[in-house]
Amino acid sequence: TQLLEQSPQFLSIQEGENLTVYCNSSSVFSSLQWYRQEPGEGPVLLVTVVTGGEVKKLKRLTFQFGDARKDSSLHITAAQPGDTGLYLCAGDTTDSWGKLQFGAGTQVVVTP
Amino acid sequence: SQTIHQWPATLVQPVGSPLSLECTVEGTSNPNLYWYRQAAGRGLQLLFYSVGIGQISSEVPQNLSASRPQDRQFILSSKKLLLSDSGFYLCAWSVRGGGRPFYGYTFGSGTRLTVV
Repeated sequence: TQLLEQSPQFLSIQEGENLTVYCNSSSVFSSLQWYRQEPGEGPVLLVTVVTGGEVKKLKRLTFQFGDARKDSSLHITAAQPGDTGLYLCAGDTTDSWGKLQFGAGTQVVVTP
Repeated sequence: SQTIHQWPATLVQPVGSPLSLECTVEGTSNPNLYWYRQAAGRGLQLLFYSVGIGQISSEVPQNLSASRPQDRQFILSSKKLLLSDSGFYLCAWSVRGGGRPFYGYTFGSGTRLTVV
């Protein structure tokens, strides 16, 4: 059973368009991370959110943690081909410090 | 700065052969270390984690084992590989546990294992 549900599974957009990826769970997370992974490489940490309702911005990427700390979203503004990759959300619960539960990922393809 | 090295990058092994994947971390002390397996382009499954030398916790019953002979070295092994062991194996480290919040992992570059 997937603790974290990501949607959509696949997203293909044109350069310049906006996109949003969702990460949902019935569990409460102490912290939640977003990673981006390129083919044949390990995931790279983009951001960690820890406070309910928190919003973090990283250039054109905006990350939001739900008020109840059960869900999160990643919004990319004016997507570029360099944003192409597999986006993974991951969270740890109060009784599993450091043992992250990963979503299945959202494959994002941005075409020029 | 901290770095994590994982090797080999790719490996093709016959069924029934042994396996040894190695991961080392530099620039930090007393890290938590993790082995994950990733199915084709999808999410990650935690296999083992370690909070110190000789301390290994297994998350999933399987044909694999892990060892931590030194503080910054983590090894994934198998005595006899199965076809189902094929996958992308990732090593990761994090700061030693307990304090909140948990800020996430730094991953190695992964090993693509194909069992034939």
